[in-house]
Amino acid sequence: QAVLTQPSSLSASPGASASLTCTLRSGINVGAYNIYWYQQKPGSPPQYLLRYKSDSDKQQGSGVPSRFSGSKDASANAGILLISGLQSEDEADYYCMIWHNSAWVFGGGTKLTVL
Amino acid sequence: EVQLVESGGGLIQPGGSLRLSCAASGFTVSSNYMSWVRQAPGKGLEWVSILYSGGTTSYADSVKGRFTISRDNSKNTLYLQMNSLRAEDTAMYYCARDEYYWGQGTPVTVSS
Repeated sequence: QAVLTQPSSLSASPGASASLTCTLRSGINVGAYNIYWYQQKPGSPPQYLLRYKSDSDKQQGSGVPSRFSGSKDASANAGILLISGLQSEDEADYYCMIWHNSAWVFGGGTKLTVL
Repeated sequence: EVQLVESGGGLIQPGGSLRLSCAASGFTVSSNYMSWVRQAPGKGLEWVSILYSGGTTSYADSVKGRFTISRDNSKNTLYLQMNSLRAEDTAMYYCARDEYYWGQGTPVTVSS
C-alpha cells in the first residue's frame, strides 16, 4: 500500500469548490505530519502552494491566493486541499507530499479538471 | 530572488553516466537542504536524493549506490552524478531548495 494515496482525477465546475484528498497509509498518523501541496501545469515544474499541519501551524506559498487552503480529516487520516471559487486556470495536477523516514514521499497526484 | 537552473541532461545509453548541475542564485546552496526530484514521462513525482547543509546525504532506494549528490560551494551549484543508468531513470530531473523552490528541470533519456 502506498504511503500517500490521492484520487487520480476530480472534476468540478467553475465557481464551485474542490476538495482534494491525500490519505495516509494506515499506521501513519496524519496529525503528526506537515502536508505539502503542489500544483503542476503541463510543461511546467511543480509550484509550491501551501503547507498544513494544523490551524495554528500552516504556511501559504508566496503569491498563492487565499482560495487555496489546507486542512486535515483525522477520522479519514487524510490531508485536504480545498480550492474555492474554482477558475479555469486551476486546471492542473495536484500533488501532496510528506517527510517520511527522512525522505520526501509524494502522492500519485490528482488531475483536476474545471469544466 | 531565488533561482535554480538545471543543466546536463540528455540522451544516454543504458549503463552510461551523466552529471546534472543545478546553478543557484539568490541564496547560498551550502546553507540550505537541497534535493533532486524526478518525474518520468506522464507519471508522478519521485524524490531522488537530499543533501543537508551539514553534508549528510540520503537517497531513494531506486538510485542508492548509483547516484551521488554533491555541491560546489565556490560555484553555488548542486550536482547529481548518475552512474549505471537504466531505462527506468528516464525522467525530467528537478532540483529544489527545501520544499518551496524548484527549478525548471533538465530531461534525461536513457535509451539505446
